[in-house]
Amino acid sequence: EAQVTQNPRYLITVTGKKLTVTCSQNMNHEYMSWYRQDPGLGLRQIYYSMNVEVTDKGDVPEGYKVSRKEKRNFPLILESPSPNQTSLYFCASIAGVGTQYFGPGTRLTVL
Amino acid sequence: AQKITQTQPGMFVQEKEAVTLDCTYDTSDPSYGLFWYKQPSSGEMIFLIYQGSYDQQNATEGRYSLNFQKARKSANLVISASQLGDSAMYFCAMSAYLYNNDMRFGAGTRLTVKP
Repeated sequence: EAQVTQNPRYLITVTGKKLTVTCSQNMNHEYMSWYRQDPGLGLRQIYYSMNVEVTDKGDVPEGYKVSRKEKRNFPLILESPSPNQTSLYFCASIAGVGTQYFGPGTRLTVL
Repeated sequence: AQKITQTQPGMFVQEKEAVTLDCTYDTSDPSYGLFWYKQPSSGEMIFLIYQGSYDQQNATEGRYSLNFQKARKSANLVISASQLGDSAMYFCAMSAYLYNNDMRFGAGTRLTVKP
């Protein structure tokens, strides 16, 4: 079954404690992306990757890092989380024109 | 820069009736793609329909159709014969044509279907 998985699904943490949200896809897609969703703002792109070792900033990259060492995985790293990064995060993988698969989402709370 | 606007924060529709969710966009690119996604209360993002800027026909997927008016820069979603399970948030989005590397989302419209 084609899917994008994210872990953890829910996370409560404290300010400054480094965390990583994993994202993995089993469709051999080259293009992957991270979004955050906040009420009234829709989804905003954080980072995207067009292939292994190729990443670029989206609209709201501040406070986040990513890596793409292998095609299937695209982790999102928050090295020093702050309360304003409390949000719902989605990873997505793209098959081609008009086809984007989203992961189930990770709800992050930073206290 | 690309921009997507959804002006209806919330909509109500009676079960079995049709409903139109509005979406306008702004871009200077000649090539782009337009998307609609559904987000039920469980939180996942479900792809509904896609329209390319060069597509001559309006996209349709079952009960969903996209009313694409290029000159007016609008891409409204029409849901026919609404069902209770259609109650959800709906997001309009736009991207560069080929790789979706600059995908912008609207703020969303919450649709409630009344029995």
